[in-house]
Amino acid sequence: DSGVTQTPKHLITATGQRVTLRCSPRSGDLSVYWYQQSLDQGLQFLIQYYNGEERAKGNILERFSAQQFPDLHSELNLSSLELGDSALYFCASSPKGPGRTEAFFGQGTRLTVV
Amino acid sequence: AQKITQTQPGMFVQEKEAVTLDCTYDTSDQSYGLFWYKQPSSGEMIFLIYQGSYDEQNATEGRYSLNFQKARKSANLVISASQLGDSAMYFCAMRYQGGKLIFGQGTELSVKP
Repeated sequence: DSGVTQTPKHLITATGQRVTLRCSPRSGDLSVYWYQQSLDQGLQFLIQYYNGEERAKGNILERFSAQQFPDLHSELNLSSLELGDSALYFCASSPKGPGRTEAFFGQGTRLTVV
Repeated sequence: AQKITQTQPGMFVQEKEAVTLDCTYDTSDQSYGLFWYKQPSSGEMIFLIYQGSYDEQNATEGRYSLNFQKARKSANLVISASQLGDSAMYFCAMRYQGGKLIFGQGTELSVKP
C-alpha cells in the first residue's frame, strides 16, 4: 500500500458529463501530481500542485481542471467528457525536499466514457 | 526536451533467470532522477528503484538493480532470479522540473515457468 488513496476506483459515465476524481496524498506529502494513462498516449503528466498552489502543467486539456485543498487532498475535474477521455487516471504524491523524491502512486481511477 | 525510450515492447524470461530491461533517456539537465515502476495487471504503479544523476554507484533494491551508464544515457533495470509474480509492465521514468515524471512506453515482461 503506497499510502495514496484515490476514489472512486472505477467510473462509468456518458459523453458530455462531468466527473470529479479525488486523491488523498500520503501523510505529510505536500506535492500532488495527476497523470493520465491511455492506450494511445501512454502515461502523461497532467498537473502538479504543491501545498495548495498549482506548480506545473503538462498536457492537460482546458476541459480539465484540478485543485488542492487546505487538508492537501486534491480533486481532478473532467468536464464535457469525450470517448477519448477514457483512461486510467493516477494521482501521485511526494514530500518536499531534494534527493530521492520518488512519487508514490495511488491505485488509479479507471474512467470509462460511453 | 526530455525523453525516455524503452525499445522492448515485450520480453520473455525463464523463471529463476535474470533479465535486463532497457531504458535510454535524453535531457540537458545536470540534475535528474531515474525511476523504474512496475504495473501489474491490476493497474497500480509500484515504485521499484531510483537512481540520482549524481549517484556514482548503481542502485540496488533486493532483486532489482539499475545499470546506470551516464555517458550513454542509459538506465537499464536488471531483475535477478525472475519469479512468476514479476510478470507485469515495467516503466522507466525520469524526474525533472520540480518533481514531475516523464515515462517511457513500457516493456511487458512475461516470466515462463
